[in-house]
Amino acid sequence: AQTVTQSQPEMSVQEAETVTLSCTYDTSESDYYLFWYKQPPSRQMILVIRQEAYKQQNATENRFSVNFQKAAKSFSLKISDSQLGDAAMYFCAYRSAGSNYQLIWGAGTKLIIKP
Amino acid sequence: EPEVTQTPSHQVTQMGQEVILRCVPISNHLYFYWYRQILGQKVEFLVSFYNNEISEKSEIFDDQFSVERPDGSNFTLKIRSTKLEDSAMYFCASSYRGSGELFFGEGSRLTVL
Repeated sequence: AQTVTQSQPEMSVQEAETVTLSCTYDTSESDYYLFWYKQPPSRQMILVIRQEAYKQQNATENRFSVNFQKAAKSFSLKISDSQLGDAAMYFCAYRSAGSNYQLIWGAGTKLIIKP
Repeated sequence: EPEVTQTPSHQVTQMGQEVILRCVPISNHLYFYWYRQILGQKVEFLVSFYNNEISEKSEIFDDQFSVERPDGSNFTLKIRSTKLEDSAMYFCASSYRGSGELFFGEGSRLTVL
């Protein structure tokens, strides 16, 4: 069975600085998708970034980028120029390419932005 | 911007009672999901629903749970006889395609006493 591990329950960063959130996963599959979701306080989860395992190029969305290391089964999220609005819980999630439906989640990392 | 809405935001119930959690997915979406998160634990997949039937369900989704799309707009999760361990935040999500981005609601917190 696949598992997703986020080893950092909480991270803090100074506004405008860069922070990296860690995520590792375990799978025997070769084709899958990885996601980072953001959940602000009392708000719904929003997709931040998505990575297809067959793509070698790391996904990037504006200030958000990932470092996808397939061999190491690592999928970290880098947030550049951190803003107060980035404060949230961040969840890493995995989905098998053979399943369209089921996301497997990490425990989440609470990101605190210091002004 | 269209969004997924869930009601109630918080429900308190007695053990053994039936509970219905309601979701209004984004109107043109075709795939619907329920996830839950017990306090302090990971988010867990419950069920997915497409074309008026369950597509996939987890081991958690036993006979006590059911889902329905009664009127073409609502998507409901029913728990027939709640147990203490059903206390959790329940998230509804929808997507246009099965492999597409999931859009989540804000969640319904269920407390079973």
